[in-house]
Amino acid sequence: DSGVTQTPKHLITATGQRVTLRCSPRSGDLSVYWYQQSLDQGLQFLIQYYNGEERAKGNILERFSAQQFPDLHSELNLSSLELGDSALYFCASTPGTGERETQYFGPGTRLLVL
Amino acid sequence: GENVEQHPSTLSVQEGDSAVIKCTYSDSASNYFPWYKQELGKRPQLIIDIRSNVGEKKDQRIAVTLNKTAKHFSLHITETQPEDSAVYFCAASKGDSNYQLIWGAGTKLIIKP
Repeated sequence: DSGVTQTPKHLITATGQRVTLRCSPRSGDLSVYWYQQSLDQGLQFLIQYYNGEERAKGNILERFSAQQFPDLHSELNLSSLELGDSALYFCASTPGTGERETQYFGPGTRLLVL
Repeated sequence: GENVEQHPSTLSVQEGDSAVIKCTYSDSASNYFPWYKQELGKRPQLIIDIRSNVGEKKDQRIAVTLNKTAKHFSLHITETQPEDSAVYFCAASKGDSNYQLIWGAGTKLIIKP
């Protein structure tokens, strides 16, 4: 167990709908990263937050957005869902200070868009 | 920008043999190189990492070597076992304030009985 939690574990929804994925980082970690992993694909970096502020953006679609709250948990919002959005969504956290760059991953949310 | 290439994409080895996965990076400022193992449907988990001030690091059957001049690093798994079957990802980081990792595409390791 990495200490990073994600809910829900599974999500089934229809095209055009909107969903929210939640991530709680390890205790004390300030930085949260979101990744998308399609079937048999690599890890696509979406976005990073540090202590409530957006720090870096990757290949995140305009239909997707995220935020990090004062208690440091983060939410990833996916809207106008398409079939191709079906994937595993991981969040990871790091302390965000010092030399501790190791990212610890949550168990992921498996999204299926029908 | 930074790029990490990983080879091979698939590696099949006989149980008990060694496996080697190689990655090259483009940004000479990169100084942190982790390796993650991902079993089917599970989260990526860190198995070993190395910093640029070290040339080699070992942990039981797993080792990582780093060649800063050539900008490549490799994962070595000895005496492979069935439980080593997984997808392995390499990554590189400059250790700047973002601590962002640039990921390789992954290697599917298959251990043949």
